[in-house]
Amino acid sequence: GENVEQHPSTLSVQEGDSAVIKCTYSDSASNYFPWYKQELGKGPQLIIDIRSNVGEKKDQRIAVTLNKTAKHFSLHITETQPEDSAVYFCAGQAAGNKLTFGGGTRVLVKP
Amino acid sequence: DAGVIQSPRHEVTEMGQEVTLRCKPISGHDYLFWYRQTMMRGLELLIYFNNNVPIDDSGMPEDRFSAKMPNASFSTLKIQPSEPRDSAVYFCASSLRTALLKQYFGPGTRLTVT
Repeated sequence: GENVEQHPSTLSVQEGDSAVIKCTYSDSASNYFPWYKQELGKGPQLIIDIRSNVGEKKDQRIAVTLNKTAKHFSLHITETQPEDSAVYFCAGQAAGNKLTFGGGTRVLVKP
Repeated sequence: DAGVIQSPRHEVTEMGQEVTLRCKPISGHDYLFWYRQTMMRGLELLIYFNNNVPIDDSGMPEDRFSAKMPNASFSTLKIQPSEPRDSAVYFCASSLRTALLKQYFGPGTRLTVT
């Protein structure tokens, strides 16, 4: 089945700097890769997703890139703000229309 | 829309007791998912339903776990008997048939089994 690895596990950045989180996946048949943001005490919330027929997608300060050949995808957050502090999860589509989640990255934006 | 609703938000129970977690999916969503989140194992899919029918329960850890969806607006996850290792946050999520993998999560139920 699908295996998704996520790095780093923790990331501390200064407010205004960029943050990058990377994920690799194992199943070359996967074609959907969402990113979720989980704030303390809340459920994961979908923030952006990308399909395998697209190399990059942007939504304001966040962007996701996908390299199908290398089987990795990344989340980029520019001009980070304190409210970006949260745990971020990547995921890949597994067989049977299921999602396999990465281990999560705890992002801390220091003011 | 109110989003996915879960109850209770917190549950503390003693080992051996029955625990029932409840979920109301977003109105009109065809799919419902139950996940478990722990520090050790991360976010794991337990079971999912399509139009109230269980499709894949391969993630259900043991026979002590069972899930039902009697109608389109309600689902339960039951643990009987509960054990300390069941302590986790349990999430319910739902999605549309046309965007199966675009899942919307509820706030979760934090379960503590002592």
